This record gives sequence, structure tokens and C-alpha cells, in this order.
Amino acid sequence: NAGVTQTPKFQVLKTGQSMTLQCAQDMNHEYMSWYRQDPGMGLRLIHYSVGAGITDQGEVPNGYNVSRSTTEDFPLRLLSAAPSQTSVYFCASSHGQGGEKLFFGSGTQLSVL
Amino acid sequence: EDKVVQSPLSLVVHEGDTVTLNCSYEVTNFRSLLWYKQEKKAPTFLFMLTSSGIEKKSGRLSSILDKKELFSILNITATQTGDSAVYLCAGSGGGATNKLIFGTGTLLAVQP
Repeated sequence: NAGVTQTPKFQVLKTGQSMTLQCAQDMNHEYMSWYRQDPGMGLRLIHYSVGAGITDQGEVPNGYNVSRSTTEDFPLRLLSAAPSQTSVYFCASSHGQGGEKLFFGSGTQLSVL
Repeated sequence: EDKVVQSPLSLVVHEGDTVTLNCSYEVTNFRSLLWYKQEKKAPTFLFMLTSSGIEKKSGRLSSILDKKELFSILNITATQTGDSAVYLCAGSGGGATNKLIFGTGTLLAVQP
């Protein structure tokens, strides 16, 4: 049972480049989300989804796009990378739509130069 | 604005000590308080508390919630080096769909 799988683990981008962070879960969880973690800021919610075809914005959505075409996958797209998006990104999922008892992926360390 | 504040920011203890980590919260439409442990990578779930005054326990870890005073504590007894981690507190609230508001965490270092 893999749980929540994120790829890549590390990524370096140049300003203005775009990329997609992949997230997949095999627990049949309805709720999936993306967080970013910055020193001194705690985990902040970027976007979340309560089921296939349903997404909504979190606390810091600007510069990011998501879609949820299947229950398993929830990719995060950076449209035009900026140095302010340098961070560690976590995908997380939970059973039901509550988004409380989260299972986290192992994270993606992203650097934007 | 919703916020969760944890204290202390960090602490260093010796094996066998007992520690208490604090979490205060102001979360709109509060539903639950959660604790996570973050070692090198992903946070892992520890406890979810929804009712005041009821202690949750798992081995040497325990936690309690005070909904009147808007805080929670996480206790770790007989600490071990494997308890070294960042402990995250999060408040759950919001509208139809819960959102977690995380604190910045307490870094615990347990020395042998």
C-alpha cells in the first residue's frame, strides 16, 4: 500500500518556467490537498478537492492551478514560476470530505532561481 | 483572521524527561484540534480532539483540549531520542469543507 505518492522529490526551475507536481493516492480518499511549508510560516493550504471534478482555493492559491479528473490524482501546476514559490510542497489526502486526519506525501523541495 | 500559535518554538531535553507542548487557537467555526509529528519529511497524524476535557492517549503521548480557553497541550512522558521532531498543531474549521490552520510547530530535541 503506497499511500500518497509525490513526484518529483526535488526540482530546480528558472523564473518563468512552468511545471507540474504530481500527486497520487491509492486509499480511495475523497479529499486531497496541496500545502506549502516555509520556514517560520507553517503549512499553508494552496488548493484542495473534495472529489473528482471539484476543486477550491485555499489560503495561498495565486500562481498555482489544480484539477481533479480522477479520485486518485491531484496534480499541482505552477504556471510561471517565481522565486517566492521556492518552498517544500506537500500533497495530502483524507477519507471523507473533512480534510482533518491527513495522510501526507513525502514532499517536493522546489527551488526557483 | 484564523491563527494557531504554538509554544515554545523549540526545546532541548534529556532522555527520560517529560515535556509539555502548547497550542492556542482562534479558528472560525472551530471543529477539531489536531496534532502531527514531523520528522525528516512528511507530517504524520497523532491525535484529533473535538471535545473539551477528554484526554487522548497513545503510549507515552497524551493530549487534551480546552475549548473554553481555546488551547491544547501535548504531553510526552519518558522522552526518547526517537521523539525528536517538529510537533505541529492545527485547528480545523471553516464552512462546509474543513480547512486546517497550522501553527509553525515546536522543535523538540531529545538528547541521550
